[in-house]
Amino acid sequence: AQKITQTQPGMFVQEKEAVTLDCTYDTSDQSYGLFWYKQPSSGEMIFLIYQGSYDEQNATEGRYSLNFQKARKSANLVISASQLGDSAMYFCAMREGIDDKIIFGKGTRLHILP
Amino acid sequence: GAVVSQHPSRVICKSGTSVKIECRSLDFQATTMFWYRQFPKQSLMLMATSNEGSKATYEQGVEKDKFLINHASLTLSTLTVTSAHPEDSSFYICSARVLGAGFNYGYTFGSGTRLTVV
Repeated sequence: AQKITQTQPGMFVQEKEAVTLDCTYDTSDQSYGLFWYKQPSSGEMIFLIYQGSYDEQNATEGRYSLNFQKARKSANLVISASQLGDSAMYFCAMREGIDDKIIFGKGTRLHILP
Repeated sequence: GAVVSQHPSRVICKSGTSVKIECRSLDFQATTMFWYRQFPKQSLMLMATSNEGSKATYEQGVEKDKFLINHASLTLSTLTVTSAHPEDSSFYICSARVLGAGFNYGYTFGSGTRLTVV
């Protein structure tokens, strides 16, 4: 069973608009963490934002914010004022297990339109 | 910040040969290294977790005799694809757990290796 679900395979957004990328997760752990990574066509993994399961406030990093709804097990990424350079693949991921391994969702390909 | 250097970035090999991919931590000690495989337009799939000085733990469905992982030192982990076949063609990427860093910046990824088996 999928532990990280990203239901939007692709999205098209007009430049300067805000965009929300959806992510739901499944875990029975009390302590876990959620990440968002950006992967441009070069393949590198770029860390965007992290939310710990015990963090009471939603994480923010510049134009990125994470809308964490623990009861609904959702961790949506919000990008404000999108830019052309935001066009990339975005992965939601979760830290789990004693090794703190990270598992990834299937990703959402975001296209920013000029 | 913590950097993992991954080499080679691209490799083409003949079917039946073996290929070694290296991930080296440049300015920190990588006690735990994760190895992922990514097929085109797909997600990163965790293959195995290696801890320095011990045997790697493989995810279900990953052949440990085909994908040999060595993590003999705190700064170097290697993945060897043995007897490679065209279906092994993929993007392989490593990720090191950075001890002492919070979880937000606690993982650093290599730049990936694109393997093509012909």
